[in-house]
Amino acid sequence: GENVEQHPSTLSVQEGDSAVIKCTYSDSASNYFPWYKQELGKRPQLIIDIRSNVGEKKDQRIAVTLNKTAKHFSLHITETQPEDSAVYFCAASKGHGGSQGNLIFGKGTKLSVKP
Amino acid sequence: KAGVTQTPRYLIKTRGQQVTLSCSPISGHRSVSWYQQTPGQGLQFLFEYFSETQRNKGNFPGRFSGRQFSNSRSEMNVSTLELGDSALYLCASSPLTSGAYEQYFGPGTRLTVT
Repeated sequence: GENVEQHPSTLSVQEGDSAVIKCTYSDSASNYFPWYKQELGKRPQLIIDIRSNVGEKKDQRIAVTLNKTAKHFSLHITETQPEDSAVYFCAASKGHGGSQGNLIFGKGTKLSVKP
Repeated sequence: KAGVTQTPRYLIKTRGQQVTLSCSPISGHRSVSWYQQTPGQGLQFLFEYFSETQRNKGNFPGRFSGRQFSNSRSEMNVSTLELGDSALYLCASSPLTSGAYEQYFGPGTRLTVT
């Protein structure tokens, strides 16, 4: 089955710096790659996603890149702020019959942004 | 629109008991997926329901089961509880309309098995 590896497990940056989190997936049939942010005691929140027919997607300070050949995708956060501190999860799924319900998650990256 | 809701939010059970958790998706969303979150294993997919049918199932024992009703609300049941079942159980709903695959999570049910 699909396996998603995520690195690093912890990341500490200074406010204003950039943060990059990387994930690799094993199943070349995977075609949907969302990223979630989970603050302590709260639900995972979808922050950005990308489909396999797109190489890059941006939303303000957040961007995701996808390399299908290498089977890896990355989250880039620029101009980090203390409120970006959270655990970030990458995930992958392959749709069949219109279903994308079986997200396979990485183990998460705990991002700490120091003021 | 109101978000995904889950009840109860907290639950304490003893080994051997069974438990039923409930999830109400965002209005109009027909797909509901369930995940187990633990510090050791992270987020793991349990199963997905769409139009009252289970479409996908993760690698969990048969003690874990679920169902979906005609109004898209979903329940999951865990029978013969074990200590290792202690976890945060999250459900997520998705519209699954053309091109819309986003999943939105509920707040979760924190299950503690003693």
